[in-house]
Amino acid sequence: AQSVAQPEDQVNVAEGNPLTVKCTYSVSGNPYLFWYVQYPNRGLQFLLKYITGDNLVKGSYGFEAEFNKSQTSFHLKKPSALVSDSALYFCAVRDMMNDKIIFGKGTRLHILP
Amino acid sequence: DTGVSQDPRHKITKRGQNVTFRCDPISEHNRLYWYRQTLGQGPEFLTYFQNEAQLEKSRLLSDRFSAERPKGSFSTLEIQRTEQGDSAMYLCASSFGAWVEEKLFFGSGTQLSVL
Repeated sequence: AQSVAQPEDQVNVAEGNPLTVKCTYSVSGNPYLFWYVQYPNRGLQFLLKYITGDNLVKGSYGFEAEFNKSQTSFHLKKPSALVSDSALYFCAVRDMMNDKIIFGKGTRLHILP
Repeated sequence: DTGVSQDPRHKITKRGQNVTFRCDPISEHNRLYWYRQTLGQGPEFLTYFQNEAQLEKSRLLSDRFSAERPKGSFSTLEIQRTEQGDSAMYLCASSFGAWVEEKLFFGSGTQLSVL
């Protein structure tokens, strides 16, 4: 079965510092991977996706993610964190047996001023 | 507002009652998904439609849950004989295109509380 794991429930980063939110995946075949963000009292929003091609994927709000096949990871990164980046972040993968998108349990990101 | 719309935003019901939620996707989107999210967890897949056809339904979904998407437009999710364990945020999402790699657009959800 396809799955993603987000090993950290919460990540704290000082404003201006680089941030990383970790995600590892387990799939059969080529993975289709996604990151979504959930701000308080708002719906989930798409950040970026990896389907094929360059291992470094750029997305919304200055975020990027690095696909690493050997480590089965798809970590979300940003060079300089903003307080407004504080939110709940979800990694997701497409289930190759059907068309459903499977989400991780989420990582809460706190950017400290 | 041309985003995904869900109604109601909040629903409080007593155990054993039936509830129905509505989702209006972005108008040209052919795929529609229902997810359930509880506190501290990621969205859990419930079911999905391509146009009016329900193509996949989670095995976790009991027979008390049913979803429809008549004419491939809005969708409804009904829960019969609600239980306290059904309390959760119910999310609807839609996407456009032939490929599931397309991004999902989510609504703000319906928060269900079963007393």
